[in-house]
Amino acid sequence: GAVVSQHPSRVICKSGTSVKIECRSLDFQATTMFWYRQFPKKSLMLMATSNEGSKATYEQGVEKDKFLINHASLTLSTLTVTSAHPEDSSFYICSASTGTSGRALTDTQYFGPGTRLTVL
Amino acid sequence: DAKTTQPPSMDCAEGRAANLPCNHSTISGNEYVYWYRQIHSQGPQYIIHGLKNNETNEMASLIITEDRKSSTLILPHATLRDTAVYYCIVRGWGSQGNLIFGKGTKLSVKP
Repeated sequence: GAVVSQHPSRVICKSGTSVKIECRSLDFQATTMFWYRQFPKKSLMLMATSNEGSKATYEQGVEKDKFLINHASLTLSTLTVTSAHPEDSSFYICSASTGTSGRALTDTQYFGPGTRLTVL
Repeated sequence: DAKTTQPPSMDCAEGRAANLPCNHSTISGNEYVYWYRQIHSQGPQYIIHGLKNNETNEMASLIITEDRKSSTLILPHATLRDTAVYYCIVRGWGSQGNLIFGKGTKLSVKP
């Protein structure tokens, strides 16, 4: 149980284009989903928290107009990287949280396999 | 949230127990200890979590000291597939319950 998928697993795009990444919880409903970014040889950095039916909460320094997040259902959140540039190339990972609120300290986060974005 | 300190790397022989330490001397009473691991180019995998009692599941055991200032993750019979970066995370409301990933411990299981 507690499986999270991401699509696509890998994407290469030209500078200036937009890329959409999907995150799905396959066998549970997730009120809260999270988006992380990981640069090579670095640890995961939380970008934003996505709540079903409401606006996402972005971490300091993350541009909300560049990284659009939509959490339209309890099993799907999407991250759109708008006008991507080479510095946006990174490993994007989502997670989905169990529990009725998704934010309790005992609500476990399960991670997707990640999406490798390369912007040329 | 309390910060954690982990050794940057460890080696373990295949089939032996891997004991990964974590110091969290500033942990507060309502903060949980979570362990995740990340195999190269994959998303993190949840392993186990605990508050103050020792915990065991099909993957590992978590031993938390009585004063809660440190913990040890035990993989009882390490395999080559356990080679990964292991993250010890103290989770509390100081960071809205978010997981804050540090640098972790790179565990290399060797044949």
